[in-house]
Amino acid sequence: QQKVQQSPESLIVPEGGMASLNCTSSDRNVDYFWWYRQHSGKSPKMLMSIFSNGEKEEGRFTVHLNKASLHTSLHIRDSQPSDSALYLCAARGNSNNRIFFGDGTQLVVKP
Amino acid sequence: EAAVTQSPRNKVAVTGGKVTLSCNQTNNHNNMYWYRQDTGHGLRLIHYSYGAGSTEKGDIPDGYKASRPSQENFSLILELATPSQTSVYFCASGAWGEPNERLFFGHGTKLSVL
Repeated sequence: QQKVQQSPESLIVPEGGMASLNCTSSDRNVDYFWWYRQHSGKSPKMLMSIFSNGEKEEGRFTVHLNKASLHTSLHIRDSQPSDSALYLCAARGNSNNRIFFGDGTQLVVKP
Repeated sequence: EAAVTQSPRNKVAVTGGKVTLSCNQTNNHNNMYWYRQDTGHGLRLIHYSYGAGSTEKGDIPDGYKASRPSQENFSLILELATPSQTSVYFCASGAWGEPNERLFFGHGTKLSVL
């Protein structure tokens, strides 16, 4: 069973629109979350990280974390066709440095 | 940007054969990881390592062995390859406790077992 669950599985948004992606860890022993972006045929690249409760913004990207519920979300405003990719959420075990990933959300931004 | 190099980039193997996937990092990171990714899915952890000489089982270790002979090198070994091991394999390294900590990935190895 996946320890990190992501939703939705796929998402289509119009160019200029807002994309919202969700991720929850079912393992309570985690201390760090990342969002990675993977374009087709490429390796994952880190987009944003968060380990404190609250919100973090970098350009068009905003990430939220609720540590009590182990839920994180990624919001992309003014979405561009180049944002079309697989978005992977990752969490780190706080006692063993294991990094486990969800199955991802496939985002398509339509011009 | 931290460098992680995997070899080979592509590999075709026969069922029952031995396959070794190699990974080298020049980042001086203690932690290294092997993942597999099946089409349209996320990454599943096979083995990981805390440093030279250590290997730990991940979530799907069956059918795989790992070897970490040095800080820089981490290999994944399939002693008896099966078609179900056809996948894309990613190696990654990471150092925790540093600013902006994250995993750095290699380009991946596409393995086909016939």
